[in-house]
Amino acid sequence: RKEVEQDPGPFNVPEGATVAFNCTYSNSASQSFFWYRQDCRKEPKLLMSVYSSGNEDGRFTAQLNRASQYISLLIRDSKLSDSATYLCVADNTGGFKTIFGAGTRLFVKA
Amino acid sequence: DAGVIQSPRHEVTEMGQEVTLRCKPISGHDYLFWYRQTMMRGLELLIYFNNNVPIDDSGMPEDRFSAKMPNASFSTLKIQPSEPRDSAVYFCASSPRVRETQYFGPGTRLLVL
Repeated sequence: RKEVEQDPGPFNVPEGATVAFNCTYSNSASQSFFWYRQDCRKEPKLLMSVYSSGNEDGRFTAQLNRASQYISLLIRDSKLSDSATYLCVADNTGGFKTIFGAGTRLFVKA
Repeated sequence: DAGVIQSPRHEVTEMGQEVTLRCKPISGHDYLFWYRQTMMRGLELLIYFNNNVPIDDSGMPEDRFSAKMPNASFSTLKIQPSEPRDSAVYFCASSPRVRETQYFGPGTRLLVL
C-alpha cells in the first residue's frame, strides 16, 4: 500500500461545478498535511495547509479525518484556471519526511 | 526576494556522463529538499538537509547519487555515472521551519540518452 494515495482522475468538470478530491495516508502518526497544486511543466506550489478542524480559503475547503486517515479538498464554483494537478502531502513520521501523493488531475471545461 | 533557484533548467547528456544539479534555497530557510518527479513514480523525496546537514537520504536510489550542502546558500545533487532511467525532473525545495510550506524551484529537466 502506498503511503499517500490519491485517485489519479482525470476529473472533467464544467465551469461552476463543485468537485471533491480525497486522499488517504497510511501512517497514523502523521502530523502535518497539505494540498499543493502543480500546473503542467511547472513546480508544485502550496494551495493550502490542512488543519484538524478543517479550513477554508475562498472557494477551497480542506478537511482532515484522522479516524479514517484521509484528507479532502473541495473546490466550489470551478474556474478554467483551476485546471491543474492537485497533490496531497503528509509527513510520514513525527519528523519532516514528506510524502507526496501521485496527484489528481482536474480539467475544468467552458 | 528571489525564490529557490535551480540550474541548469535543462540538461541533456549521454549515458555514463556525470551530471551536477545546483540549487540555491531561499535565504533564511533551514531545510532543503531534493525531489525527483517522473510519470511512473510521481514526486519522490531523495534527501533533505537541516542547517546544511543531511538528515535523511533513504530516498537516494543508489550509490550513483550523491548530494552535498557546503553552506546555507548552495546545494548540489550529483549523478555519476548517469543512466537513461535517471531521466526525470529534479526539484529542489526549501522551507523555513519543520512542517511548514516547502517552496519549490522551477526544476531541472534531465534527459540521459
